[in-house]
Amino acid sequence: DQQVKQNSPSLSVQEGRISILNCDYTNSMFDYFLWYKKYPAEGPTFLISISSIKDKNEDGRFTVFLNKSAKHLSLHIVPSQPGDSAVYFCAARDSGNTPLVFGKGTRLSVIA
Amino acid sequence: GAGVSQSPRYKVAKRGQDVALRCDPISGHVSLFWYQQALGQGPEFLTYFQNEAQLDKSGLPSDRFFAERPEGSVSTLKIQRTQQEDSAVYLCASSRGLVSENEQFFGPGTRLTVL
Repeated sequence: DQQVKQNSPSLSVQEGRISILNCDYTNSMFDYFLWYKKYPAEGPTFLISISSIKDKNEDGRFTVFLNKSAKHLSLHIVPSQPGDSAVYFCAARDSGNTPLVFGKGTRLSVIA
Repeated sequence: GAGVSQSPRYKVAKRGQDVALRCDPISGHVSLFWYQQALGQGPEFLTYFQNEAQLDKSGLPSDRFFAERPEGSVSTLKIQRTQQEDSAVYLCASSRGLVSENEQFFGPGTRLTVL
């Protein structure tokens, strides 16, 4: 039973437009959420995170929104650039230094 | 380099062989995690060390999998009598401390193919 779900396996966006990647979770004990970006033949790289006490966190072109009542988070990238093309993983964990629970990933393609 | 390194990057094993995968975490990082990523899936947790202590091994799929971190730095994941279903990318991650906000830094992974 997947505790973290990314229902869109792929997404294609034009350069300059907004990319919105979605993630749903089922475990109400999760209190920290992260997005990782992965290029082929490399490990995942941390992108941005959000604690459950917040509903928004912004870092440059990247913003993560958290809706706790809906158990939903989203990553917005604006403006999208060709270099953003990668697989994006949503991950979550509960309190403490616990293992991350990952979604299956969404492959983003930004078309020039 | 300053990042997490893993070796070998690629490993091909015949079914039944034993393999050993190495992880060098970022210097000074207390926590070390191993994850398994099957094709088309997200990484799945295998085991977790805090310094040399293995605090959680609930994700290890069978007793053929064994991990150690004897001096609290380098870690080795050993798989005995490999099976085809063990084929995956094995990712190692380390983090600085013990609090949940510490991000995990991942290595490039070892791609294991069992024939």
